[in-house]
Amino acid sequence: KAGVTQTPRYLIKTRGQQVTLSCSPISGHRSVSWYQQTPGQGLQFLFEYFSETQRNKGNFPGRFSGRQFSNSRSEMNVSTLELGDSALYLCASSLPMSTEAFFGQGTRLTVV
Amino acid sequence: DQQVKQNSPSLSVQEGRISILNCDYTNSMFDYFLWYKKYPAEGPTFLISISSIKDKNEDGRFTVFLNKSAKHLSLHIVPSQPGDSAVYFCAASDGSSNTGKLIFGQGTTLQVKP
Repeated sequence: KAGVTQTPRYLIKTRGQQVTLSCSPISGHRSVSWYQQTPGQGLQFLFEYFSETQRNKGNFPGRFSGRQFSNSRSEMNVSTLELGDSALYLCASSLPMSTEAFFGQGTRLTVV
Repeated sequence: DQQVKQNSPSLSVQEGRISILNCDYTNSMFDYFLWYKKYPAEGPTFLISISSIKDKNEDGRFTVFLNKSAKHLSLHIVPSQPGDSAVYFCAASDGSSNTGKLIFGQGTTLQVKP
């Protein structure tokens, strides 16, 4: 069974640009969550999608957005990139009504 | 407001000894707790979890203890092995919210010395 797949693995962008990250969940998993990991901050919840609807949102500015497609694949978008957006972005998927989340390897975003 | 705290950024133990990683939380609505292990350049992998209706859960070398009155949980690894060296994250979930949202601590870096 394939795990959670995130693309791309590494990305370098310039301040002011926008970026789109992709996540393919484990087959059968309909919930997809996104997290940001920065040094010393642990993993901070960005948002969760379930059945193409945003079910929960963390405390991030509106520049961070996401969506989920009918096949449960998800994308997150960050517009007007800032240096502080440099982080590891992790996607996790889970079965309905399950708390156990399975993570992808993440996308390392560097903003220069 | 950090609802889940791991106050020890790092821990070093000798191979074969016990590793104890601690986690405190403030939100009494949390009813499910998980531990994840993370190696560099990889995503976190699930280790073990515990429901708030239990005070202990074991899985092989890993045991998680929950003290609800103290809002404290700990992960015991016995015996510790060099391959256990990684960052360990404690996470909590509020079941009443019916979402997959997890609140993570900042992580503890465990080093197991041969």
